Amino acid sequence: ETGVTQSPTHLIKTRGQQVTLRCSSQSGHNTVSWYQQALGQGPQFIFQYYREEENGRGNFPPRFSGLQFPNYSSELNVNALELDDSALYLCASSLQGIVGTEAFFGQGTRLTVV
Amino acid sequence: RKEVEQDPGPFNVPEGATVAFNCTYSNSASQSFFWYRQDCRKEPKLLMSVYSSGNEDGRFTAQLNRASQYISLLIRDSKLSDSATYLCVVSGDSNYQLIWGAGTKLIIKP
Repeated sequence: ETGVTQSPTHLIKTRGQQVTLRCSSQSGHNTVSWYQQALGQGPQFIFQYYREEENGRGNFPPRFSGLQFPNYSSELNVNALELDDSALYLCASSLQGIVGTEAFFGQGTRLTVV
Repeated sequence: RKEVEQDPGPFNVPEGATVAFNCTYSNSASQSFFWYRQDCRKEPKLLMSVYSSGNEDGRFTAQLNRASQYISLLIRDSKLSDSATYLCVVSGDSNYQLIWGAGTKLIIKP
């Protein structure tokens, strides 16, 4: 096991609602990245947090927002949910916000928007 | 053109055979390359990093060809437990971003 935990594991929401997903990073890791993985696709980078600040962002609208806490755990918030937001949301924990360091993934949160 | 392209498969391969995957990427500035493995309905797990000189880890060999902008993964003596989706990952323009292929599904048959 990686030591990265996500909650909840499954979630069903109605279009227009808001959702908060949570991620606890591996001990000693100060960076959390969030990804969206649609069925049959590779993960798409949403954003990364390094030492409580957003360190970079992918091509996602502002209704996708996040936070990182002093203990390096993180939240992903999605407002005004759309049907296309249905996906597996993965968080990855790593040491430093530098590509090339190994990232460990949580088991993901499967979000269904109806 | 997608930034990272992989043959989606599935590759149906008998146990014990050798199988190879290729992955092409579009950004010539990419510096880091990885292969991840993802089992059905599970999270991706790092299989191996890919180094410029090529590298081997047991039955797995990874190669990088910067001139042609592709990376490869070779699996020798395939096992039933190798059945999974293999994701090619490259770094983007920024040092924080990873760009993922859609994955190649491998099915090892007894």
